[in-house]
Formats: sequence, C-alpha cells, structure tokens
Amino acid sequence: GAVVSQHPSWVICKSGTSVKIECRSLDFQATTMFWYRQFPKQSLMLMATSNEGSKATYEQGVEKDKFLINHASLTLSTLTVTSAHPEDSSFYICSARSGTSGEEKETQYFGPGTRLLVL
Amino acid sequence: GQNIDQPTEMTATEGAIVQINCTYQTSGFNGLFWYQQHAGEAPTFLSYNVLDGLEEKGRFSSFLSRSKGYSYLLLKELQMKDSASYLCAVLDSNYQLIWGAGTKLIIKP
Repeated sequence: GAVVSQHPSWVICKSGTSVKIECRSLDFQATTMFWYRQFPKQSLMLMATSNEGSKATYEQGVEKDKFLINHASLTLSTLTVTSAHPEDSSFYICSARSGTSGEEKETQYFGPGTRLLVL
Repeated sequence: GQNIDQPTEMTATEGAIVQINCTYQTSGFNGLFWYQQHAGEAPTFLSYNVLDGLEEKGRFSSFLSRSKGYSYLLLKELQMKDSASYLCAVLDSNYQLIWGAGTKLIIKP
C-alpha cells in the first residue's frame, strides 16, 4: 500500500515554456500533498503544501505565480512550472499523506520524482 | 530556530553494523521519521517513532529519546544495497516536517 506515482519522470524543455507534473496517490486518499525540490547533493527543500480543495501554502521564497499547484481531488495534485528557465532545472518530488489515523496519518509517501532540465 | 543534526557521511563494511545518529531541537515534537534515499531516487519511508524506545523492523531499528532530543537508526548485516543517504526528519508542533541534511552511508566490501 501507500503508492505514489509521478508523471513524467523526465522532462527536457526550452526556456520559457511551461511544464506540468502530476502526482497521484494510487491506493489511498491523500488529504495533503507536498512538493519538494532537490538540487544535486543537497537536501530536500519543501516548496509548498497543498490540501484538497484549498489553495496551496507556499514556503518562503517560493514564487506562487511561477509554481502553480492544484490539488483538485484526493488522489491528484499537479505542479506547473510556468515560464521555466535553466535555473529551474532540478529534481521535483511530491509526497502524499493520508491523514487518517496512527502512524499512517503523519507519514509522507514519496513519488519517484521528476527530473526537469530546462535548456 | 529549528535544527536537526546528523553526520554528513559514514563508511561501514559489508556484513557489519552501523548506527546513524540524529539530534534535534524543534518547536514541539510529534514524531521522528527516518527515510532512505538512494542516489537519483526519491526517499522511501523506513520508520516512525513517537514514543521513547526501540522499534525494530528486520535489519533496521530506530531508537528515540525525547528527553535527550536524540534518535538513531541502526542497520545490521549491512549489504551493498544499503549504500544510500539516510534522512532524519522531525514533525514539529505545527505538524511541519523538519528535514535533516541526510547522512550518506558508504558500504565497502
């Protein structure tokens, strides 16, 4: 159980284009989903937290107009990187939390990640 | 401020035992997680401790002392595939997950 998928796994795009990344919880309903970014050999950086049906909460320094997050259902959240630039190239990882009870309530399960390369 | 400390890198021998320590100073405490992250991959959940003591899961065990702000992850019978980064993360009073920088574990034959 607790499987999270992410699509696509790899994206190469031209500077100025927008890229959409999907995150799905496959076998549970995710009350909360998280989006992280990780640069090579660095730790995870939380970008934003999204709850189904409400606006995402962005971390300080993360531009909400550039990184659009939509959590339309209990199993799907999307991150759109608008007008991507080379400095946005990174490993983007989503995680989902079921928020039901016990240990499962607070555990975040991660998707496999999406590598974005902006040329 | 909130702080989580863990060693940057450790080296161990295949078949041996290794203990990865994590100390934390956070505003409140609602549990501590250990995740494993292989190079180029996303983290995978290993353990969650919210009460003091040792939790054992096969070759991996995790220990917590809330009074000392301390946890460790114990890996037994090390295998080459255990080479990875191990991330310590604490859930604070606002249920925000505070991440450590991770410990890179290198296993040598």
